[in-house]
Amino acid sequence: QKEVEQDPGPLSVPEGAIVSLNCTYSNSAFQYFMWYRQYSRKGPELLMYTYSSGNKEDGRFTAQVDKSSKYISLFIRDSQPSDSATYLCAWGENTGGFKTIFGAGTRLFVKA
Amino acid sequence: ETGVTQSPTHLIKTRGQQVTLRCSSQSGHNTVSWYQQALGQGPQFIFQYYREEENGRGNFPPRFSGLQFPNYSSELNVNALELDDSALYLCASSWTGEGYGYTFGSGTRLTVV
Repeated sequence: QKEVEQDPGPLSVPEGAIVSLNCTYSNSAFQYFMWYRQYSRKGPELLMYTYSSGNKEDGRFTAQVDKSSKYISLFIRDSQPSDSATYLCAWGENTGGFKTIFGAGTRLFVKA
Repeated sequence: ETGVTQSPTHLIKTRGQQVTLRCSSQSGHNTVSWYQQALGQGPQFIFQYYREEENGRGNFPPRFSGLQFPNYSSELNVNALELDDSALYLCASSWTGEGYGYTFGSGTRLTVV
């Protein structure tokens, strides 16, 4: 079983739609949870991170973590064409040095 | 404040050769991590350096090695290149090493032929 499972998409939605992106994980040692966004030919950039179960909101973005189910989600409200990118879920652990594990990424296309 | 810069941006090497990739950390960051990202995949952790010492390593063979210098810049060296080493190599710097503090560079695209 992979440590992180993420649907690669692609996911295509019209402008203004609510987008839901999801990941599952298997390692209970993970300590913090993140979502990164990666535009073509660029490195990933951090969108959100959290340590605990529950929701965390930042503008149009909401991250949801359910540690009991080992499931995290990212919701994007009022999606824009500029949101078109690959979204990577990620987990962190400290096992003799911090290590971040990434999902494979979901490609999102928002059509104008 | 400058971001993370990587050089070169693109590189083509022949199987069996050696390659060195370079990374300049963001100002104020003392930790550097290297990742390999194959096409259509998420980044895979190679290793991390903190204050010039290796501070964690992923499942990569010893022919992947690195250095961190006193100014916190870093190098990734790969010996005996294989075709499967073709990927985007990403450098990320941070203050604490924790993943939520990473700033990534735009990467070096390595092609092995």
